[in-house]
Amino acid sequence: EAGVVQSPRYKIIEKKQPVAFWCNPISGHNTLYWYLQNLGQGPELLIRYENEEAVDDSQLPKDRFSAERLKGVDSTLKIQPAELGDSAVYLCASSSSGDEQFFGPGTRLTVL
Amino acid sequence: AQSVTQLGSHVSVSEGALVLLRCNYSSSVPPYLFWYVQYPNQGLQLLLKYTSAATLVKGINGFEAEFKKSETSFHLTKPSAHMSDAAEYFCAVSGPGTYKYIFGTGTRLKVLA
Repeated sequence: EAGVVQSPRYKIIEKKQPVAFWCNPISGHNTLYWYLQNLGQGPELLIRYENEEAVDDSQLPKDRFSAERLKGVDSTLKIQPAELGDSAVYLCASSSSGDEQFFGPGTRLTVL
Repeated sequence: AQSVTQLGSHVSVSEGALVLLRCNYSSSVPPYLFWYVQYPNQGLQLLLKYTSAATLVKGINGFEAEFKKSETSFHLTKPSAHMSDAAEYFCAVSGPGTYKYIFGTGTRLKVLA
């Protein structure tokens, strides 16, 4: 069974540029999560989807961050414009039952 | 509200020695507790989970953890460290059916030859 797929794995951009990350969850997993992981910290939830509905986006900075999960399968997280402080690892996870989340390898973003 | 505290951001053990990584939690509801491992440039992999069944939980790679409600702890142990155990370990708490994990800040385990 394929795991959670994320792309790109690494991204380097200049500040004020837009950037997008893509996630394909495990087949059949209705719940999808985006996490932000700063260096030396644990992941922090940005947004959670149940199918195509964003049911918890309270921690998503909506002035510059947006996300979508069209058709309730894969998802895209976008930052526009990126700031220096956005440099971090962006993790995607999925689950079917809620009591175990499966994580992808993450996208490491560097903003110069 | 829920929170997790991992004592010791860095732990070093000799190969073959006992591994003990500490996790204390705070939760206003019966907690679900998890330990994840993260190898460099990889995502998080579940080691084990406690979801209100047996208090001693056995996981992959020889790890286990014991839920102690009186101490609000969920420490991770392994009897004999292996070089391949060198990684970062995260403890997380959630509530039943809440879907929201609260992670600790992580403990980086170094295994000395």
